Amino acid sequence: EVQLVQSGGGLVQPGGSLRLSCAASGFTFSNSWMTWVRQAPGKGLEWVANIKQDGSEKNYVDSVKGRFTISRDNTKNSLYLQMNSLRAEDTAIYYCARGWYAAFDVWGQGTMVTVSS
Amino acid sequence: QSALTQPPSASGSPGQSVTISCTGSSSDIGSYNYVSWYQRQPGEVPKLMIYEVTKRPSGVPDRFSGSKSGNTASLTVSGLRGEDEADYYCYSYTGSNIWVFGGGTKLTVL
Repeated sequence: EVQLVQSGGGLVQPGGSLRLSCAASGFTFSNSWMTWVRQAPGKGLEWVANIKQDGSEKNYVDSVKGRFTISRDNTKNSLYLQMNSLRAEDTAIYYCARGWYAAFDVWGQGTMVTVSS
Repeated sequence: QSALTQPPSASGSPGQSVTISCTGSSSDIGSYNYVSWYQRQPGEVPKLMIYEVTKRPSGVPDRFSGSKSGNTASLTVSGLRGEDEADYYCYSYTGSNIWVFGGGTKLTVL
């Protein structure tokens, strides 16, 4: 079965750090662009970052540049999002998703990140 | 990196057709055929309904169709059913390896 299983997330104070993980199975992970998408409470979906198959290219939405780092380990079939200098506005459910024809065909279950003192 | 513009809500009666618009600019929707649409049921992860403007993934009913004219993409749901009630989001490439979602449209089946 093709699936993405997420872990990490939780409650963190403003200025703190958190690392999200996304474990892939059922497909050749190293063949896929991977993306992080988030949804803040009461808001719509927001593209956060993506990473090329071999990790050689990474792209970010302006609001997280310099604070978030997307990475992957193809030997472990895993995607990561290191989040530093977290702000209240980063509070959201974070999803990892598999890229497929300029779209997302497989999504992780989502993990909640709450930034609050 | 402005979000694409979608109407906050749309509605229709069972059996009718409804069209949801997604307006961007000449830099995103107007320049690329990389528009996709997602259905978001409460408590579930988004589901891909349309990709590359008009294509339907396997398993998506042909009641769902996509189109584009200029800087505006559209999702049409024909023969509305109760289970179509959900939030719908468009998504597009904007160039320079940046992507953006629409604000979302809540579809209500009356």
